[in-house]
Amino acid sequence: DVKVTQSSRYLVKRTGEKVFLECVQDMDHENMFWYRQDPGLGLRLIYFSYDVKMKEKGDIPEGYSVSREKKERFSLILESASTNQTSMYLCASSLPQGVSNQPQHFGDGTRLSIL
Amino acid sequence: AQSVSQHNHHVILSEAASLELGCNYSYGGTVNLFWYVQYPGQHLQLLLKYFSGDPLVKGIKGFEAEFIKSKFSFNLRKPSVQWSDTAEYFCAGGPAGRRALTFGSGTRLQVQP
Repeated sequence: DVKVTQSSRYLVKRTGEKVFLECVQDMDHENMFWYRQDPGLGLRLIYFSYDVKMKEKGDIPEGYSVSREKKERFSLILESASTNQTSMYLCASSLPQGVSNQPQHFGDGTRLSIL
Repeated sequence: AQSVSQHNHHVILSEAASLELGCNYSYGGTVNLFWYVQYPGQHLQLLLKYFSGDPLVKGIKGFEAEFIKSKFSFNLRKPSVQWSDTAEYFCAGGPAGRRALTFGSGTRLQVQP
């Protein structure tokens, strides 16, 4: 079974801090994704990566950056945290489209509060 | 903009009632569509998926969805819900071959015993 592990379940940071959220998957998936989940808005894609060192912006990339130095690890970075980035952050991974049409597999999420 | 929309935000049903949750998409051409479920305190799990072929897709736990191309819809159904179906349900989709999916805003289902 696919395992997507997010480093923290809960995190509290202060405005202006640089925040790192880590995600690791154990199934050698090419694609990895970062979403934020907010009530009434569903999941919104922040960034995704389809290979090591490759990344693409999603729908709401402003204020975020990502890093993928190794295939199994995908990091989300809040360059200077702000209160409007308080949210639940979800990481997911998948095989590429056209290989086996596998769906995305999700981690448990990190609930981030910015004070 | 291309999107996936769910119009039911909060649904309350009694046990044994039938369920239908709406999902519409705005993509042309071949699409990939999914329904995910998030039980309280748990991660999102796949319920079912549609890529091609039979438009009636069966998933886990007695759920099914019907792809109706002419209506751009992919509604989720279950003939008889249980209290354990209380969860948030997300429809997701995108053009075939696109790596990223677009998720709907979710429907919170509350099943009363």
